[in-house]
Amino acid sequence: DTGVSQNPRHKITKRGQNVTFRCDPISEHNRLYWYRQTLGQGPEFLTYFQNEAQLEKSRLLSDRFSAERPKGSFSTLEIQRTEQGDSAMYLCASSFGGVRSPLHFGNGTRLTVT
Amino acid sequence: QQQVKQSPQSLIVQKGGISIINCAYENTAFDYFPWYQQFPGKGPALLIAIRPDVSEKKEGRFTISFNKSAKQFSLHIMDSQPGDSATYFCAASGGLGNTPLVFGKGTRLSVIA
Repeated sequence: DTGVSQNPRHKITKRGQNVTFRCDPISEHNRLYWYRQTLGQGPEFLTYFQNEAQLEKSRLLSDRFSAERPKGSFSTLEIQRTEQGDSAMYLCASSFGGVRSPLHFGNGTRLTVT
Repeated sequence: QQQVKQSPQSLIVQKGGISIINCAYENTAFDYFPWYQQFPGKGPALLIAIRPDVSEKKEGRFTISFNKSAKQFSLHIMDSQPGDSATYFCAASGGLGNTPLVFGKGTRLSVIA
């Protein structure tokens, strides 16, 4: 299967701990996006990369969140000092081309902060 | 400020009926309007998309109607089937700032036999 892969699928952590998620995009895709989705809501944009460059971050993105995409391949999203409000599904998507290109989503990492 | 407003929140349709979901957007610079379908436990998947230079696009049982002057677009699902039961999201992107996709809050569709 050559779709977008996200790991882990589920993560339970205690408030104040750091967590890191990984996303492996479709190999030929140059753009990689991170979105957050809470129950009953649509995906909310967090940040995106073109190759290894991080081009945009949402103004809503706390400085506790950081993302990397070394060598323009896989990406990691780290949340430091987690809070209960961080509990959500974190979705990764990739595309070939710009913002008018179809996004291919992974199945997400569900984070629960206790 | 929500850039894309979607309605209804939920929808129940009889098998074989027509499902209609509406979306309104704020930013007149948006120039790409897709609809995504999401099943429980899965990520959203692109269903159909339209650019503002056409007023309608049809792919199989799915049709997007687009009204640029009203800043509205809608998804029509003809001959709705139980397998269409899912959550549907409208979205918009583009413009001079190359805004990444912003999504509506979603419509949960249930198709009953």
